[in-house]
Amino acid sequence: EPEVTQTPSHQVTQMGQEVILRCVPISNHLYFYWYRQILGQKVEFLVSFYNNEISEKSEIFDDQFSVERPDGSNFTLKIRSTKLEDSAMYFCASSDPRDPIGYEQYFGPGTRLTVT
Amino acid sequence: AQTVTQSQPEMSVQEAETVTLSCTYDTSESDYYLFWYKQPPSRQMILVIRQEAYKQQNATENRFSVNFQKAAKSFSLKISDSQLGDAAMYFCAYRRNQAGTALIFGKGTTLSVSS
Repeated sequence: EPEVTQTPSHQVTQMGQEVILRCVPISNHLYFYWYRQILGQKVEFLVSFYNNEISEKSEIFDDQFSVERPDGSNFTLKIRSTKLEDSAMYFCASSDPRDPIGYEQYFGPGTRLTVT
Repeated sequence: AQTVTQSQPEMSVQEAETVTLSCTYDTSESDYYLFWYKQPPSRQMILVIRQEAYKQQNATENRFSVNFQKAAKSFSLKISDSQLGDAAMYFCAYRRNQAGTALIFGKGTTLSVSS
C-alpha cells in the first residue's frame, strides 16, 4: 500500500540554524500538507500546497517557514532560523483531489525536531 | 472560525468493556467531514473512522462507531470490546469538504486500557 515517507525521523539542531524536513508524498497525490505537534499538545495545521503554490496557511506559518516541491517526488519544509519553540513533531500529509471519499489526507510517520 | 473541543483529557477502560470519547465542534459550514485519529506512542497518526456531514447514518468500523448529532454539533467515538492495543491518544478532527483544506484537531483524549 502506498504511503507517505519522511526523513529524517529525528533531527537535532542548534537555535538559529536552518533546517529542512523532507517528505515523499504518495505518488499520484497532488495536495501536500505540513502539520506540527508540540509534545503533549494538539496537532496544528501549518500549510497546504498545490500546483507549486501555497493554497492555505495558518498564522503559525510565518516568514521563518517555507515549502518547496524541488522535484517530482519530494516536498520540503524549511525553517530558516530555528527557535527553541520550533521543537515539535512535524507531520507531512498528502491527498488526491480526485478522491471520491472526500480528499482524505494520508499522514507520514513524522519528523521529531529538537532545537537546542 | 471552526473549532474542535475534546473535554476529556483522559479516559480509562477495562479490557472488553466499552468506552465513549466525546467531541464537539463549531462551524457555519454545511459540507464537511469529521474524523477520529488514533496516535499511539510511536506518534503515527492513524485514521480510525470518518463521517460525512451529509450522511445521517453513523459510521462504523469494526469495534469503532460514532454518534453523530449534527444539530448539536457533537461527534462521539464509541470503542466496544476494548483491547490493550487501543491505548493511545485519540484526536477528533474537522475538515471542510474541499480539496486542500486544513484538518482542525481537538486537544486529544488519552485512553488507557487495563487488563
